[in-house]
Amino acid sequence: EAGVVQSPRYKIIEKKQPVAFWCNPISGHNTLYWYRQNLGQGPELLIRYENEEAVDDSQLPKDRFSAERLKGVDSTLKIQPAELGDSAVYLCASSAWSGANVLTFGAGSRLTVL
Amino acid sequence: AQKVTQAQTEISVVEKEDVTLDCVYETRDTTYYLFWYKQPPSGELVFLIRRNSFDEQNEISGRYSWNFQKSTSSFNFTITASQVVDSAVYFCALSENRDDKIIFGKGTRLHILP
Repeated sequence: EAGVVQSPRYKIIEKKQPVAFWCNPISGHNTLYWYRQNLGQGPELLIRYENEEAVDDSQLPKDRFSAERLKGVDSTLKIQPAELGDSAVYLCASSAWSGANVLTFGAGSRLTVL
Repeated sequence: AQKVTQAQTEISVVEKEDVTLDCVYETRDTTYYLFWYKQPPSGELVFLIRRNSFDEQNEISGRYSWNFQKSTSSFNFTITASQVVDSAVYFCALSENRDDKIIFGKGTRLHILP
């Protein structure tokens, strides 16, 4: 069974440019998470989806970040425009359901903003 | 508010030594879940264990063991007879039943020296 797939693995952009990350969760997993991990820190939740509904986006900087999960399967996280402080690893995870179930993480997308 | 503290930023031990990673948590809920995840150099977080707040039994899985003590709000992780492959960053995480949000500590980077 394929795990959580993320792309791209690495992205280098100039500040003020847009960037998008894609995530395909494990088949059948209804809950999808986007986390941001800064260097030397633990993952921090950006947004959580139950199927196609964003049930927790309180930590998503909505002025420049957006996310969607249109058909309740794969998801896209977008940053526009990117700032230097957005350099981080963006992790996608999925679980069969929320409620303290086990998260399966993807390998992450490492963003460097110059 | 929920909080996870991993006071040990970095630990180095010689192979075959035992090592304990500390985790202290804060929560107002009586029902919650605790987790440990491993993040090897490849970057993908790997689930190790989940405990609920009603189960204080210690758990052993091969060379890994976990000590959950509600009285001290701690959920410590011990690796016995460490191996070089145990080198990674280890994260403790907490999920409260009220909102299913999983928050992570800052992690402990473990170096096992040959």
